Amino acid sequence: SQTIHQWPATLVQPVGSPLSLECTVEGTSNPNLYWYRQAAGRGLQLLFYSVGIGQISSEVPQNLSASRPQDRQFILSSKKLLLSDSGFYLCAWSDGRGSYEQYFGPGTRLTVT
Amino acid sequence: SQKIEQNSEALNIQEGKTATLTCNYTNYSPAYLQWYRQDPGRGPVFLLLIRENEKEKRKERLKVTFDTTLKQSLFHITASQPADSATYLCALKTVSGGSYIPTFGRGTSLIVHP
Repeated sequence: SQTIHQWPATLVQPVGSPLSLECTVEGTSNPNLYWYRQAAGRGLQLLFYSVGIGQISSEVPQNLSASRPQDRQFILSSKKLLLSDSGFYLCAWSDGRGSYEQYFGPGTRLTVT
Repeated sequence: SQKIEQNSEALNIQEGKTATLTCNYTNYSPAYLQWYRQDPGRGPVFLLLIRENEKEKRKERLKVTFDTTLKQSLFHITASQPADSATYLCALKTVSGGSYIPTFGRGTSLIVHP
């Protein structure tokens, strides 16, 4: 069966510090991968999605970036965090072969102080 | 502009009753619509998908309808239980550059009272 992992579960970082969140998927190959952010009281905002290694599409211009160095690994990064980057970050995957439901990871709660 | 609207007010119902949640959208031509459940502090969990050419889909106590003329989907939970209390999100998928891009509503909180 497929599983998705995210770490860390919680993170407190000062403004201006770098960020690296990791997501890995097991039990499937060539998945579509997604990064979302959910701010308090707001909906899920799609940040990046990827249909293959090295292929990243950005939905929202900001100081975040994403990379997909391996088929089942998706990394969200920032060189300098802003207060507005605080939120709940979710990684998700979907089957790239035509099934459209998304499966979400447990999330990372990021607080920028 | 494109919009997905879900009632921001929590829906409070009594155990055993049918809960009905609404998802309205404007300026979309979605290929399909999905419903997810999200518990506090956790990622959403997929529940049901309905395609644009389907009127209704059922799964156990869940039923989803999709009216592309009204641009609305209704999500029903029959014989509701306190364990059904959660936030329910609808999501539309449109096509961008050949890929299906999901857009989520903000969700409606359901509270089922024993």
